[in-house]
Amino acid sequence: DTAVSQTPKYLVTQMGNDKSIKCEQNLGHDTMYWYKQDSKKFLKIMFSYNNKELIINETVPNRFSPKSPDKAHLNLHINSLELGDSAVYFCASSRSSGGGYEQYFGPGTRLTVT
Amino acid sequence: AQSVAQPEDQVNVAEGNPLTVKCTYSVSGNPYLFWYVQYPNRGLQFLLKYITGDNLVKGSYGFEAEFNKSQTSFHLKKPSALVSDSALYFCAVRDTNAGKSTFGDGTTLTVKP
Repeated sequence: DTAVSQTPKYLVTQMGNDKSIKCEQNLGHDTMYWYKQDSKKFLKIMFSYNNKELIINETVPNRFSPKSPDKAHLNLHINSLELGDSAVYFCASSRSSGGGYEQYFGPGTRLTVT
Repeated sequence: AQSVAQPEDQVNVAEGNPLTVKCTYSVSGNPYLFWYVQYPNRGLQFLLKYITGDNLVKGSYGFEAEFNKSQTSFHLKKPSALVSDSALYFCAVRDTNAGKSTFGDGTTLTVKP
């Protein structure tokens, strides 16, 4: 009964490769997010989707492309991986109305680019 | 624009003592305020939030936070710290007119036996 799940948990790959991370939530939320947490533990929002529509697109290289096939899923595809992409990527979800807005996070995907 | 500051990178406290983790914010409208906790190698977990109403908000694991509008602060508190409270704590703010939350840089809490 995991609320927000991500796969894979660990991803080790070489520079130049393309990889994807998948996220699913079963909370019935209409908004989903991707965050990047760097080695200093700073958390930066990358993207947000509301009802499958992209609503937040921070300054992120074009090599990163999110896709939301439905409200419960948000995937992240990364092309031409670089060393600086190494980080932990978190998916999260929340409601977009009703005063809630608290976010529920997945367990993270630790990406290591060698 | 909205922003949040956690002025302390690290807070150390002895087990059984009260703890405070500080957070100040800046918004143009009214704030929604949140605290999250991150244990090692885990995702962030929601602890508590302030939306409106009583300035003292109670949350999970015995934590509480006090909203102070004049000081634009939302400090996290617990009357008696446990070793198991040791973790990374994030404060976040969302302007009622904004579509996203902004997270602070995090404060590492260490509770020593």
